[in-house]
Amino acid sequence: GENVEQHPSTLSVQEGDSAVIKCTYSDSASNYFPWYKQELGKRPQLIIDIRSNVGEKKDQRIAVTLNKTAKHFSLHITETQPEDSAVYFCAASPPVDTGRRALTFGSGTRLQVQP
Amino acid sequence: KAGVTQTPRYLIKTRGQQVTLSCSPISGHRSVSWYQQTPGQGLQFLFEYFSETQRNKGNFPGRFSGRQFSNSRSEMNVSTLELGDSALYLCASSLESPGGHYGYTFGSGTRLTVV
Repeated sequence: GENVEQHPSTLSVQEGDSAVIKCTYSDSASNYFPWYKQELGKRPQLIIDIRSNVGEKKDQRIAVTLNKTAKHFSLHITETQPEDSAVYFCAASPPVDTGRRALTFGSGTRLQVQP
Repeated sequence: KAGVTQTPRYLIKTRGQQVTLSCSPISGHRSVSWYQQTPGQGLQFLFEYFSETQRNKGNFPGRFSGRQFSNSRSEMNVSTLELGDSALYLCASSLESPGGHYGYTFGSGTRLTVV
């Protein structure tokens, strides 16, 4: 089955700096890669996702890049703010027509933005 | 529109007992997935249901089971509870698409404590 590795496990940055979280996946058939943000005591929330036919996607201060050849994808947060402090999870999923639709999550990155 | 609703929010059970958790997906979402979240193991996939059928199952013992009703509401059951079953159980619903995935929307979870 799919295996997703996520690094780093913790990340501390100064407000205004950029943060980068990296994930690698094992199943070359995976074609959907979402990122979730989970604040303390709250549910994970989808913040951005990318499909395998796209190399990069941006949404304001966040962006995700995908390298299918190397089987890795990254989350980039620019101009970080204290409210970006949370645990971020990457995930990967195989194509919907394989019957294996479940998302496999990385282990999470705790991002702390220091004011 | 209403989000994913999980009940109860908190539960304390004794070892050996059984428990049933409930999840009501977003209206129109027919896919419901269940995850176990623990500090040490992250988000682990339990199972996924679509149109009352279990489509995928994770690597959990047979004590963990689930079902989905015709209105897409889902329940999961854990029998013969063990201390290690203490966790946050998250339910997520998603919209089906022939062309690919849509992101999951998670519920707030049920925090189960086994004593």
